[in-house]
Amino acid sequence: QSALTQPASVSGSPGQSITISCTGTSSDVGTYNYVSWYQQHPGKAPKLMIYEVSNRPSGVSNRFSGSKSGNTASLTISGLQAEDEADYYCSSYTRSSTLVFGTGTKVTVL
Amino acid sequence: EVQLVESGGGLVQPGGSLRLSCAASGFTFSSYWMSWVRQAPGKGLEWVANIKQDGSEKYYVDSVKGRFTISRDNAKNSLYLQMDSLTAEDTAVYYCARDRVAAADWGQGTLVTVSS
Repeated sequence: QSALTQPASVSGSPGQSITISCTGTSSDVGTYNYVSWYQQHPGKAPKLMIYEVSNRPSGVSNRFSGSKSGNTASLTISGLQAEDEADYYCSSYTRSSTLVFGTGTKVTVL
Repeated sequence: EVQLVESGGGLVQPGGSLRLSCAASGFTFSSYWMSWVRQAPGKGLEWVANIKQDGSEKYYVDSVKGRFTISRDNAKNSLYLQMDSLTAEDTAVYYCARDRVAAADWGQGTLVTVSS
């Protein structure tokens, strides 16, 4: 049950696009399409941004998109805005019927 | 509107026990898997446990197996986490969340501090 690997930090200027990677194994990301992405602002509960690799819940901006290739999932934020500055976490269902989160990525808007 | 309200957190000594509760409203509680997720101060999210709609399946992260027990009472729309043999490493904000693999709804969290 090792955490999925994410870059510690990613930054970009307003209007730019950034991509956050989430690397797992064949026991989780590589086998299941149950990859989710969460946004968390300081002191707040996480907010679901993407589920099942690439689906957006109602109300989430279409600037957020998800994809997966092999054991690595990715979250892309296009048209970066100041309000996107937050921590982002991926998660995946695992072969053990458990869930595992990523290590988290701090997104900074320059 | 979905609401999840955790309670039961607080300061407990190492080796002690605590029982967290999560009161759910705004949805048919008995139709959803429910989960507990924690976050140590300044750290990332860690999935702790989840439970099937009827309580027949329960899963735990390795670090809490044998010490924590997840349960639910569908008649009371409530989720619980019994935490025994607590250590400093269990210090965290504990969130309850609706669903198994993609939680669209979370509570505000309850802080558990394990310290002497």
